Amino acid sequence: GENVEQHPSTLSVQEGDSAVIKCTYSDSASNYFPWYKQELGKRPQLIIDIRSNVGEKKDQRIAVTLNKTAKHFSLHITETQPEDSAVYFCAASRPAGTALIFGKGTTLSVSS
Amino acid sequence: GAVVSQHPSRVICKSGTSVKIECRSLDFQATTMFWYRQFPKQSLMLMATSNEGSKATYEQGVEKDKFLINHASLTLSTLTVTSAHPEDSSFYICSARGQDWGYTFGSGTRLTVV
Repeated sequence: GENVEQHPSTLSVQEGDSAVIKCTYSDSASNYFPWYKQELGKRPQLIIDIRSNVGEKKDQRIAVTLNKTAKHFSLHITETQPEDSAVYFCAASRPAGTALIFGKGTTLSVSS
Repeated sequence: GAVVSQHPSRVICKSGTSVKIECRSLDFQATTMFWYRQFPKQSLMLMATSNEGSKATYEQGVEKDKFLINHASLTLSTLTVTSAHPEDSSFYICSARGQDWGYTFGSGTRLTVV
């Protein structure tokens, strides 16, 4: 089955710096790669996603890149702000309505 | 957009009792529902895939007789934790895939077994 590896587990940056979180996946049939932000005790909140027919997607300060050949995808946050501090999860899923498989998460801390 | 309602949000039960968690899709038909468990400071771990009208598919290491899943209709899936023990205390959350590519999550259930 699918296995998703996520690095780093913790990331500390200064306000205004960029943050990059990387994930690799094992199942070459995976075609959907979302990123979630989760607050303690709350449901995951989708922040951006990418499909396998696209190499990069950007939404204001957030971008995701996908390298299908290498089977890895990355989250890029620019001009970080203290409110970006949270736990971020990457995930991957195969076609035909299969479950999302999550990475282990990255705790991002942005200090002002 | 697609909404999944999950209840209860918090439950405290005594060791040995059973607890039922419900997830209901409000504005779409969820033929498949996914159940996850999340321990503190850990990731969401897939427990099982619930299919309407058929038996659930459990992930390796998840006891199907302990975590009973029922998906009797296109809008309702339930997870029953039977004979709960303190080690079952966790955050349980359901998810469904809508008509588009996105996944919708319930709000989660914090289970505490005392």
